[in-house]
Amino acid sequence: EVQLVESGGGLVQPGGSLRLSCAASGFTFTTYEMNWVRQAPGKGLEWVSYISSSGSTIYYADSVKGRFTISRDNAKNSLYLQMNSLRVEDTAVYFCARHYSSSSGVVWDYWGQGTLVTVSS
Amino acid sequence: EIVLTQSPDFQSVTPKEKVTITCRASQSIGSSLHWYQQKPDQSPKLLIKYASQSFSGVPSRFSGSGSGTDFTLTINSLEAEDAATYYCLQSSSLPHLWTFGQGTKVEIK
Repeated sequence: EVQLVESGGGLVQPGGSLRLSCAASGFTFTTYEMNWVRQAPGKGLEWVSYISSSGSTIYYADSVKGRFTISRDNAKNSLYLQMNSLRVEDTAVYFCARHYSSSSGVVWDYWGQGTLVTVSS
Repeated sequence: EIVLTQSPDFQSVTPKEKVTITCRASQSIGSSLHWYQQKPDQSPKLLIKYASQSFSGVPSRFSGSGSGTDFTLTINSLEAEDAATYYCLQSSSLPHLWTFGQGTKVEIK
């Protein structure tokens, strides 16, 4: 069974930092690309960042570029999101999502349960 | 950026009724359109991938159709457990260009 479990969320002051983790199990983590997606309270879904299976290719949303860093440790089956210079508008539930590629195309097929990040003074 | 516009934004439906949600793309995306269900305080769950392919374990009352710019999610014979917000997602290009629709909330009368 595919499982993605996020952790590391919490309350942080504006300008502060947090590191989110996503522990993967039930599949061969090293062969899958991964993403972070967030959802502000009562709002829709917003893609945050992507990382290839090897970690060699990375993309960020403009809203977090230069402040957030995505990484992975394939030996530990884990995905990370280092968030610096946090802003009030970064308040959201952060989900990790598995990136599945096939002959039909690509899709995010499994998501974790999410971890809440609250940026407030 | 490809913009996805869902309609309606909200729908109140009685059990066993048929529900139709549409997602229109601002440019052609082939079949690179997926549907997710999100219940309160839960993560999104994949229902339909590549416009019309059912994801593993999804009840048969959920179906998808369309290609190009116009797509439809249909829920036949709505059940109480289907109360949720439904999102479409397009994956026609590189991941940093993927976009979601704004969501359609389905409420049970």
